[in-house]
Amino acid sequence: KNQVEQSPQSLIILEGKNCTLQCNYTVSPFSNLRWYKQDTGRGPVSLTIMTFSENTKSNGRYTATLDADTKQSSLHITASQLSDSASYICVVSDRGSTLGRLYFGRGTQLTVWP
Amino acid sequence: EADIYQTPRYLVIGTGKKITLECSQTMGHDKMYWYQQDPGMELHLIHYSYGVNSTEKGDLSSESTVSRIRTEHFPLTLESARPSHTSQYLCASSESKGDYGYTFGSGTRLTVV
Repeated sequence: KNQVEQSPQSLIILEGKNCTLQCNYTVSPFSNLRWYKQDTGRGPVSLTIMTFSENTKSNGRYTATLDADTKQSSLHITASQLSDSASYICVVSDRGSTLGRLYFGRGTQLTVWP
Repeated sequence: EADIYQTPRYLVIGTGKKITLECSQTMGHDKMYWYQQDPGMELHLIHYSYGVNSTEKGDLSSESTVSRIRTEHFPLTLESARPSHTSQYLCASSESKGDYGYTFGSGTRLTVV
């Protein structure tokens, strides 16, 4: 069964600290993996997208890694800011259909305290 | 700035009412989607469209219907709302070629009382 599991479910850190969010998936065949940031009451906004051949990709203070062999990805946030408080969602796309079907994780709820 | 717009942002209605959630995009994307999301849960695909006059049901069974008469417009309709329809509804679009660039709207938070 194609699944995307994220951990931790929630995380509280102090402003300025770093953190790492995890994503494990069983989706096959694999096409790409995306990390989204979703503020409360808003739609998800794309942070990074990685294909099979990419191991790491950065977007400002966000750095995503991908290990396609172990089917794991991580999102590292450096020097956290209050505005980083949001849900971070891992989304995996397969190559098995013309739809390019997306499989969503439940997200990690990150709270940054001052 | 998002180029996909959803209205209304919030809606509280009574049971049995008919409602239409609006979604419009200005990017010329052929593919459009409706997702349903409950708090703390993953997004579930309820409808999608590959282009004008093309609509399909998604993974999650839904009593809603959609239409795609124009490329930029993908409204979702509930003929008779029930409390079980209370949820957040997210519209998204993407290009036909490649597998990149899903853009989401800000969502409609629907409460049926």
